[in-house]
Formats: sequence, C-alpha cells, structure tokens
Amino acid sequence: DAKTTQPTSMDCAEGRAANLPCNHSTISGNEYVYWYRQIHSQGPQYIIHGLKNNETNEMASLIITEDRKSSTLILPHATLRDTAVYYCIVRVAGGGGNKLTFGTGTQLKVEL
Amino acid sequence: GEEVAQTPKHLVRGEGQKAKLYCAPIKGHSYVFWYQQVLKNEFKFLISFQNENVFDETGMPKERFSAKCLPNSPCSLEIQATKLEDSAVYFCASSQQWTENTEAFFGQGTRLTVV
Repeated sequence: DAKTTQPTSMDCAEGRAANLPCNHSTISGNEYVYWYRQIHSQGPQYIIHGLKNNETNEMASLIITEDRKSSTLILPHATLRDTAVYYCIVRVAGGGGNKLTFGTGTQLKVEL
Repeated sequence: GEEVAQTPKHLVRGEGQKAKLYCAPIKGHSYVFWYQQVLKNEFKFLISFQNENVFDETGMPKERFSAKCLPNSPCSLEIQATKLEDSAVYFCASSQQWTENTEAFFGQGTRLTVV
C-alpha cells in the first residue's frame, strides 16, 4: 500500500471547518483513499473514501487532487466531539489489499 | 448484531498466563480482522479471516499467538504465555466483502494488561 504523510496535530475552533491534509505521492491509479478516526481510545470509525472524484457524506467531504497525490478531509462544522486522531489510508485495489495499514494520523483538537 | 462485539472489555493476566479475546462480527460479514494497538496511534495488523479461513496472517507473531473463526461462534484471538509487551488494546473489525470499495467496521476493543 502507498505510504501517507499527515501532520501530527491540528487545532480547530468549534463551528469552523476542519481541513485535514494527507499526502500520498506514491499512490497508484487503482488505489483508494480512506479516512478513519479514533475518538479517545474507542475503535476506529470509518468516515469516507474515494478514488479520484470528490466525495461527500453526512460526516465529511473528501477532496482529492487531480494528480491524486494528496487529499483533504473536510469536516464542515467541527464540534468538540470531532476531537480525535484522523487516519488517512491508501488501499490497493484488485483484491482490495488484505488489510488496512494505519499510519500515525493527525490529532485534531476542536476547541471553543 | 449491528455492531462488532468484543469481549471482554478489559482483561488482566499475570505474565505467563493465557489470554483469550473474542470478537463477534456484524451479522452477514464474511471478513474479520484483528489489530493490536500498543502505543497511541500505532496499529499493528495481526491476522484476517474470510469466514473460517485465514485470509492474511502476515502480521501474526509466529509464537504464542493463534486465532480462529469457527462457524456459529465468535472469532477468537489467543495468546499463550503472555508477556508484558503483549499489553495493548486489541481491536477486531469486520467487513461484508473485502474489495477496494468497502469499509471495515471496528469493535470497541479489548484492553489486555499483563502484569
């Protein structure tokens, strides 16, 4: 699976948009970008995924650059409950890769 | 069930004792994954199953660790002769299918403390 690079930590004011970047410059054409988060010590929670088009669901939006070398997860109106570690994961296609490979993630802290 | 159920939530074992962790995947999910989180933010993949068959065991320690998923039973992860370094949170995840376009759902983990 392609390696990802994320900032170690970020802060965001409550009610503002949180934009979490991820670099995946070695991504292959058939690899998907996934985002998960871990709130405190709970199990990781799926957020969103995409291949090359931008995606949006009830939790977040995913913006993937045209060259697919980076992406941004957007939480449009961050709340205190969005404080978590956010993981950007690239998954190989063709059999799906046999596992999710987590990096070290970004610790997002949402403050009043 | 509608969520991945892991039991117990907490487990304390003396060094050298056996530890057994359980995972009930979401009903209808064919794939089960086990991860170990020792330090905050660091997940280590251990093993995965497709139904009762091992799918990928490349992360599984060669000694002391074993796992199985039997029909009509929760999956299990067993550690023989636990060591202090086995102290970690063990997460199980399940997925209905496993393609590039499917997500995995995680349980709340079992915190194993070896003393």
